[in-house]
Amino acid sequence: DAKTTQPPSMDCAEGRAANLPCNHSTISGNEYVYWYRQIHSQGPQYIIHGLKNNETNEMASLIITEDRKSSTLILPHATLRDTAVYYCIVRANTGTASKLTFGTGTRLQVTL
Amino acid sequence: DAGITQSPRHKVTETGTPVTLRCHQTENHRYMYWYRQDPGHGLRLIHYSYGVKDTDKGEVSDGYSVSRSKTEDFLLTLESATSSQTSVYFCAIRDSTTNEKLFFGSGTQLSVL
Repeated sequence: DAKTTQPPSMDCAEGRAANLPCNHSTISGNEYVYWYRQIHSQGPQYIIHGLKNNETNEMASLIITEDRKSSTLILPHATLRDTAVYYCIVRANTGTASKLTFGTGTRLQVTL
Repeated sequence: DAGITQSPRHKVTETGTPVTLRCHQTENHRYMYWYRQDPGHGLRLIHYSYGVKDTDKGEVSDGYSVSRSKTEDFLLTLESATSSQTSVYFCAIRDSTTNEKLFFGSGTQLSVL
């Protein structure tokens, strides 16, 4: 699975869009980009994933660059409850076993 | 709720004692994972399983063993607990039938004194 690089921390004002970047320059053609978040001491929670097209769901939007070497998770209207650590991982959906390693993620602090 | 439970939720033990953590799923998924989480290190993979009796090591497997005798249970054992194994342990299952999402348990807080 390709390695990812994320900034260690970011701040965002409540009500504004939070844009969390992720670099994955060694991504392979069959690898998807997944985003998870971890609120306080809970288990991580799935947010969204994509291959090469932009994706949107009720939680967030995922923008993947044309060369697929980076992506951005967008929380359109951040709230205090979005304060969490956000993890970006890339992996292939081959159905085979893989180690699924997480990095240290980005700690997003949403403030009033 | 993805039907994954961890037990116990909290445990305090002494150095040198064996400890077993249990991860139970009701979803019949093939892939299961054990992670530990420590300040400054994020989530680190200990061991994972890709079927009954099929397991492999992750990045921090020293001092840990696992067993998977049936699909629904994935056990993590510390044969002789050390203070460096004080951590929060998370189990995860991977839904390989649809979109490969990971679902995590609520975690086990283990303190080794």
